[in-house]
Parts: sequence; C-alpha cells; structure tokens
Amino acid sequence: DTGVSQNPRHKITKRGQNVTFRCDPISEHNRLYWYRQTLGQGPEFLTYFQNEAQLEKSRLLSDRFSAERPKGSFSTLEIQRTEQGDSAMYLCASSSGQRVGAFFGQGTRLTVV
Amino acid sequence: GDSVTQMEGPVTLSEEAFLTINCTYTATGYPSLFWYVQYPGEGLQLLLKATKADDKGSNKGFEATYRKETTSFHLEKGSVQVSDSAVYFCALSDRGSQGNLIFGKGTKLSVKP
Repeated sequence: DTGVSQNPRHKITKRGQNVTFRCDPISEHNRLYWYRQTLGQGPEFLTYFQNEAQLEKSRLLSDRFSAERPKGSFSTLEIQRTEQGDSAMYLCASSSGQRVGAFFGQGTRLTVV
Repeated sequence: GDSVTQMEGPVTLSEEAFLTINCTYTATGYPSLFWYVQYPGEGLQLLLKATKADDKGSNKGFEATYRKETTSFHLEKGSVQVSDSAVYFCALSDRGSQGNLIFGKGTKLSVKP
C-alpha cells in the first residue's frame, strides 16, 4: 500500500466547465475526508465519508460540489460550473479512527481560468 | 466554534538552533491535537499527536505537549537541520466530531546552513 493516491495532480479548466477528481484511500481505512487548501491557509474541511455513507458536509460545500464514495472504496469530488474562486488545492485524507489523525494524499491542484 | 491559532511566519533559523512554533486552540470539548508538516512539493504528513491532557507527542526530534490549562500545543525541536525546512500546521480534532481536522494557517520554517 503506497498511501492515499489522488488523480489528477493538476487540472486547468475554463470557467463554467465541470471537473472531477479521484481519491484512492489507504485500503483498510473506512474514513475518508476531502479538504480544500488555498495559498497561505491551512486545509479546510469539505466533507466526510464513513464507508459509503456521506456523514458530514461543510457549509463550504456549495450546491455545485458533489462527492461520492461508491462501495466504500475510492471517492470522487465533482465541481460543476467551475468559478475562479474554486481555484485551490483539493486534498483527500483517510483514517482508521476518530482520534488517530489522518493520512493525506498529495492533492489535486485546480486552476480555473 | 473550534479554532487553532499558530504563530505567524515565516521563521528563519540557522542550523542547530532551537525551534519553537506556538499553537493555541479553542475547543468546546477535549480535542486530540496534531502537528502536520508539508515539505516543498509534497503532501501533508502527520508529524506527531497527543490525545489527552499532559500527553507528549514526539517524532523525528520534534516534541509537543498537550497543555489543557493554557490550551496550547507548542512544537519544539532542540537542534534544527536544513532538511526541516517546511510548512508546519497545528490541527485539532474535536471529540464530538467525525474526526475531521481543524487546521491553523501554517508556519513556514526556513533553516539556513
């Protein structure tokens, strides 16, 4: 197991287009998280899955954002009708428990032009 | 709501100097506390953690002690190396949460030879 894997690493898209990112967590981890990180800031929580159930969503996750985790394995994060303000690093993390900390992928850097 | 406050950076030190990065938190419960490190071009890595008051987390020569009375979790290292140059993030996970992390803004450390 090589850790949390995210694809693509970089994505440049035109405003108004839809984009989808993929995250493959550490295989034995049932908890999966998405975060967004902008320049000079710490990561901000977006959403949380336990197995296939999406149990928590941040107010940062507008209606244009949707996340899935079919069969409790990999997860996808889709952004519809992208805006320039969506430009950020999108991070995925997985964990085996509530208080053990999470392991992060290298992120997908999104640039909306 | 819960929050984490870190000392502003950047911090520039000479090799073998003593490092302290201050971190204080606000939380309604008894959170777990973490330090993450992000080396240039890499993803976030869990550096150390503490889950209850007076616990000391340690790893790679770094230490931090969970101080409930001062709501602090300061990161220290006795002798920094050039390879420690990175951005350091303090984070908490509240007991009542699903394990999602609340991060500080990060502190950039540069170590000069």
